[in-house]
Amino acid sequence: KQEVTQIPAALSVPEGENLVLNCSFTDSAIYNLQWFRQDHGKGLTSLLLIQSSQREQTSGRLNASLDKSSGRSTLYIAASQPGDSATYLCAVSRRMDSSYKLIFGSGTRLLVRP
Amino acid sequence: DARVTQTPRHKVTEMGQEVTMRCQPILGHNTVFWYRQTMMQGLELLAYFRNRAPLDDSGMPKDRFSAEMPDATLATLKIQPSEPRDSAVYFCASGLATLREGETQYFGPGTRLLVL
Repeated sequence: KQEVTQIPAALSVPEGENLVLNCSFTDSAIYNLQWFRQDHGKGLTSLLLIQSSQREQTSGRLNASLDKSSGRSTLYIAASQPGDSATYLCAVSRRMDSSYKLIFGSGTRLLVRP
Repeated sequence: DARVTQTPRHKVTEMGQEVTMRCQPILGHNTVFWYRQTMMQGLELLAYFRNRAPLDDSGMPKDRFSAEMPDATLATLKIQPSEPRDSAVYFCASGLATLREGETQYFGPGTRLLVL
């Protein structure tokens, strides 16, 4: 059974710091991995998607890496800002039984202090 | 500004009542997903559709839940009868590909359901 774990569960940093969020998954047979952002009481916004054949993706101050063999992904946020405060979720896509599933981690709650 | 819309945004009901949640996907998207989010279980995929046909609803309790797409602009998720354990936030998302192809999913704001 595929399990997705995110560490840490919560993180508080001062503005301007660079930070890394971690995601690990137990089964490396994935099609892709996505990082989402969820603001309190809101839906999810897709940040980055990494196909299984890729090693990393970048968007602005965000960089996500993928190491399928070790079952790990990281989301790097450079020069953090208070507006980055949100919950960040990673999700892996893989085949389960006769269909495809998107399996989410429990998220990392990030607070960037002004 | 295209976005996924969901109604109602909030619903409080009593155990045993029927609950219907609606979703309008982004125009032109052919894939719709239903998710449920709780503190205990996190975010779970309940069902997804492509071109209005159900591809998978194995994540959904079959005895009380049903999901349909009567047309390309409307997806519904029904619970009958509802139970307190169904209390959660239900999200709808739409996209242009299946999970395998991994294109971006666009999430709605969610329906916050409380079953008393």
